[in-house]
Amino acid sequence: NAGVTQTPKFQVLKTGQSMTLQCAQDMNHNSMYWYRQDPGMGLRLIYYSASEGTTDKGEVPNGYNVSRLNKREFSLRLESAAPSQTSVYFCASLFSGGTVSYNEQFFGPGTRLTVL
Amino acid sequence: RKEVEQDPGPFNVPEGATVAFNCTYSNSASQSFFWYRQDCRKEPKLLMSVYSSGNEDGRFTAQLNRASQYISLLIRDSKLSDSATYLCVVYRLSSGSARQLTFGSGTQLTVLP
Repeated sequence: NAGVTQTPKFQVLKTGQSMTLQCAQDMNHNSMYWYRQDPGMGLRLIYYSASEGTTDKGEVPNGYNVSRLNKREFSLRLESAAPSQTSVYFCASLFSGGTVSYNEQFFGPGTRLTVL
Repeated sequence: RKEVEQDPGPFNVPEGATVAFNCTYSNSASQSFFWYRQDCRKEPKLLMSVYSSGNEDGRFTAQLNRASQYISLLIRDSKLSDSATYLCVVYRLSSGSARQLTFGSGTQLTVLP
């Protein structure tokens, strides 16, 4: 099992450019998440998808869109990149079911994005 | 006020020392609690869950006080390999039955030889 994979690992954009971050998991998890991590800020939730076909906004959704393409894949799109979106982006997945306290969230390796 | 607050540190301790991290959360509807570990420029990984009765995993002990909305992590006999950032994480159900995690900003630990 590859777990959670993300592409690309690194990306440099110019202000106003668009791009899509890809995420896939092979653990048959139903919930998937996108976070951004900035120095001193911890991880902040951008969007999440409780199950295939549903998406919801998290704490910092402005400037982003998501697509839950199927159960395995959850992509994050920046339509018009801004320098404030320079960050490390993590995708994560979770199996929702059973006792909540035993649910572990698995993370991808991250995408380091710089917007100039 | 942040939903999950941690002392950012850094904590610099000698090998073999005991170190404790604290975390407070503000949402009383929070259901489950965890400590994650994050190595420099890597993804977070689950270190341990935190149970109401307290739980231990080798050198690591986690405690939860629901009345005070307080979580702690104790590391005994620190090793160089324990150097990392420790993230306090709180779970609650949100809309659509999604489990939503809220992360603290993390506490940085450096264990010195």
